[in-house]
Amino acid sequence: AQSVTQLGSHVSVSEGALVLLRCNYSSSVPPYLFWYVQYPNQGLQLLLKYTSAATLVKGINDFEAEFKKSETSFHLTKPSAHMSDAAEYFCAVTGTASKLTFGTGTRLQVTL
Amino acid sequence: NAGVTQTPKFQVLKTGQSMTLQCAQDMNHNSMYWYRQDPGMGLRLIYYSASEGTTDKGEVPNGYNVSRLNKREFSLRLESAAPSQTSVYFCASSERDRSGYTFGSGTRLTVV
Repeated sequence: AQSVTQLGSHVSVSEGALVLLRCNYSSSVPPYLFWYVQYPNQGLQLLLKYTSAATLVKGINDFEAEFKKSETSFHLTKPSAHMSDAAEYFCAVTGTASKLTFGTGTRLQVTL
Repeated sequence: NAGVTQTPKFQVLKTGQSMTLQCAQDMNHNSMYWYRQDPGMGLRLIYYSASEGTTDKGEVPNGYNVSRLNKREFSLRLESAAPSQTSVYFCASSERDRSGYTFGSGTRLTVV
């Protein structure tokens, strides 16, 4: 079975500051990991995914995430926050099947 | 535009009424999913269809039924709506195992 835990339901950063959203996973098999973003009143869009090819994964809008097996983590980072990054972010995991298991989400607020 | 289309976008039901949420994808994906999103709980899988002709229960199937009408369409039915089913419902599809999802824009359902 697979599960993810997202630490912090709300994160607030200043515009231009580092964004760090935390995700820890549990999986009985080598996992595939995903980050999705949801803007208000919209569906979820894929930001990036880890598929075992490289531990540092780059996604859209300068987001990246690093897979750390020893820490069972897949934290999402962005060097410099922009107002348009304000949204809810979901980490998700899958094992050998197609079903994804999602975390409870982290709402990112970006302030001036 | 290619993607996942959900109808309706908004719906208000009275307790005990029935309705069907429609979902169609035009990407020739094999697998389709229905999730519900509730505040603080992330996305929870209701039902999924790994391929045309098959459906399986997810984490929260009670009170729902599904039909995989053909490869493109996957509908979700509420036979007797309850206030606990007030939620935002998302349909998603995936091309193959571990590839991640493409999401629809959601249906916001209120049961009064």
